Amino acid sequence: GENVEQHPSTLSVQEGDSAVIKCTYSDSASNYFPWYKQELGKGPQLIIDIRSNVGEKKDQRIAVTLNKTAKHFSLHITETQPEDSAVYFCAARGFDGGSQGNLIFGKGTKLSVKP
Amino acid sequence: EPEVTQTPSHQVTQMGQEVILRCVPISNHLYFYWYRQILGQKVEFLVSFYNNEISEKSEIFDDQFSVERPDGSNFTLKIRSTKLEDSAMYFCASTPGLTSQPQHFGDGTRLSIL
Repeated sequence: GENVEQHPSTLSVQEGDSAVIKCTYSDSASNYFPWYKQELGKGPQLIIDIRSNVGEKKDQRIAVTLNKTAKHFSLHITETQPEDSAVYFCAARGFDGGSQGNLIFGKGTKLSVKP
Repeated sequence: EPEVTQTPSHQVTQMGQEVILRCVPISNHLYFYWYRQILGQKVEFLVSFYNNEISEKSEIFDDQFSVERPDGSNFTLKIRSTKLEDSAMYFCASTPGLTSQPQHFGDGTRLSIL
């Protein structure tokens, strides 16, 4: 089955700097890669996603890149702000003929943005 | 923006007791999911549900677990005889229809087994 590895587990940056979180996946048939932000006491909130037919997607300060050959994808946050502090999870959609789209998550990255 | 809502936010139960966690998915969504997150660990898939039946389940989802859509709005997860290791956050998620659509998560139920 699919396996998703995520690095780093913790990341501390200064406000205004960029943050990059990286994930790798094992199943070359996976075709959907969302990123979720989880704040304390809340459920995962989708912040951006990418499908395997594109290599990059951007939404304001957030961007995701996908390298299908290397089976890795990354989250880039520019001009970080204290409110970006949270745990970020990458995920991949496990795929086979009968899959109903369950997500396989990485272990999460705790991002701390220092003012 | 429509949300997935879960109740209760926190459930404390004695080991061996049955517990039912409730979810109201977004109204026009057709695929429903339960995930579990043990404290400090990653989110793990439990089960997916479509057209009033289980579509897929993980190894975690053993005979102690069951899901049901008792009416047109609620989606429930039942743990028949809880164990200490069932203590976790349980998240419900839903998606509109196609399996590649984004999954929207509720804020979870914290289940504490004593």
